[in-house]
Amino acid sequence: DTGVSQDPRHKITKRGQNVTFRCDPISEHNRLYWYRQTLGQGPEFLTYFQNEAQLEKSRLLSDRFSAERPKGSFSTLEIQRTEQGDSAMYLCASSFNKQYNEQFFGPGTRLTVL
Amino acid sequence: DAKTTQPNSMESNEEEPVHLPCNHSTISGTDYIHWYRQLPSQGPEYVIHGLTSNVNNRMASLAIAEDRKSSTLILHRATLRDAAVYYCILDNYGQNFVFGPGTRLSVLP
Repeated sequence: DTGVSQDPRHKITKRGQNVTFRCDPISEHNRLYWYRQTLGQGPEFLTYFQNEAQLEKSRLLSDRFSAERPKGSFSTLEIQRTEQGDSAMYLCASSFNKQYNEQFFGPGTRLTVL
Repeated sequence: DAKTTQPNSMESNEEEPVHLPCNHSTISGTDYIHWYRQLPSQGPEYVIHGLTSNVNNRMASLAIAEDRKSSTLILHRATLRDAAVYYCILDNYGQNFVFGPGTRLSVLP
């Protein structure tokens, strides 16, 4: 399967713990996006990378959140000191940098903070 | 804030056409109009996009108003598998997508 993959698919953690999610984009895609989605809402943008450079971060991305894409391939999203409000689906998408921006989404990582 | 407005929900009968409307009155000249859909427990998937002219692909058709302030996604024959949340999104040169709550489409057998 050459689509976007995310790992893990589900994560249950206790409040205050740190969690890290991984996203593997489609191999030739140089843009990678992270979104968060809560129940009944559309996805909300968190951050995006072009190659290894993090070009934009949403104000939703508090200082407890950090994302990296060290070699311009896979990316990680870490949440430190998780809170119950962090419970959501975390979606990763990738695209090829062109004038129109078809984004390919992964299946998401569902985070539950107890 | 989302730059598009869509009805919260719509219903269709199986094998009938469905017209999903979207208003985007503040669209700029270089904004592409994208439609994505999200099936239950999955990430969003691309449906179709356009700039000025109507577009057709194997999944759907996109009709764009002449002033570009609205568009309509057309599913020619709805199937049960088309039950999903449909998002209309404006995109300007590959910036991040701003999703609204979308339209939840129910397809009745």
